[in-house]
Amino acid sequence: AQSVTQPDIHITVSEGASLELRCNYSYGATPYLFWYVQSPGQGLQLLLKYFSGDTLVQGIKGFEAEFKRSQSSFNLRKPSVHWSDAAEYFCAVGLGAAGNKLTFGGGTRVLVKP
Amino acid sequence: NAGVTQTPKFRVLKTGQSMTLLCAQDMNHEYMYWYRQDPGMGLRLIHYSVGEGTTAKGEVPDGYNVSRLKKQNFLLGLESAAPSQTSVYFCASSYSIMNEQFFGPGTRLTVL
Repeated sequence: AQSVTQPDIHITVSEGASLELRCNYSYGATPYLFWYVQSPGQGLQLLLKYFSGDTLVQGIKGFEAEFKRSQSSFNLRKPSVHWSDAAEYFCAVGLGAAGNKLTFGGGTRVLVKP
Repeated sequence: NAGVTQTPKFRVLKTGQSMTLLCAQDMNHEYMYWYRQDPGMGLRLIHYSVGEGTTAKGEVPDGYNVSRLKKQNFLLGLESAAPSQTSVYFCASSYSIMNEQFFGPGTRLTVL
């Protein structure tokens, strides 16, 4: 069965500093990869997705993610964090035609210090 | 467009009671999903539907039933609520797996 691991439960970062959130997946083939963000009390919003092609993907709100097949990773980055980036971030893996379903990681909560 | 809406937003049940959560989408999406969110566990898929009149089990289907009688609606039922079903429930919809899933605002359910 596929699995998604987000090793960091909490990350605290200063405003203006860079941010990197880790995501590792376990699956035999290259799955569809997603990053979602959840602000407090809200549903999830898609930040970016990777299906194929260029392994560096640009998303909304200044986020980017890099797919590394050799490491089975899809880490999310932002060069300069804003206070509004405080939220919970979820990595998700999709199997496509094998089930039209997503498997989510446990999430990483990001706190932004002024 | 309202996107994905969920009713109710909050609900408190006693053990053994039943209830139905309603999800509606106005984007003409084929696929709809019900997830539950528990601390540290991300979102786990309960049931999903790939079109009107179809349903399928997800990762944690026990204790829940669903129906998709109309394309725009996806209902999640709890026949006999248990404290272990205390959670935040999210509905989502998508055109296909290759497209983003749009999420509703969630329903916070407490079972006493």
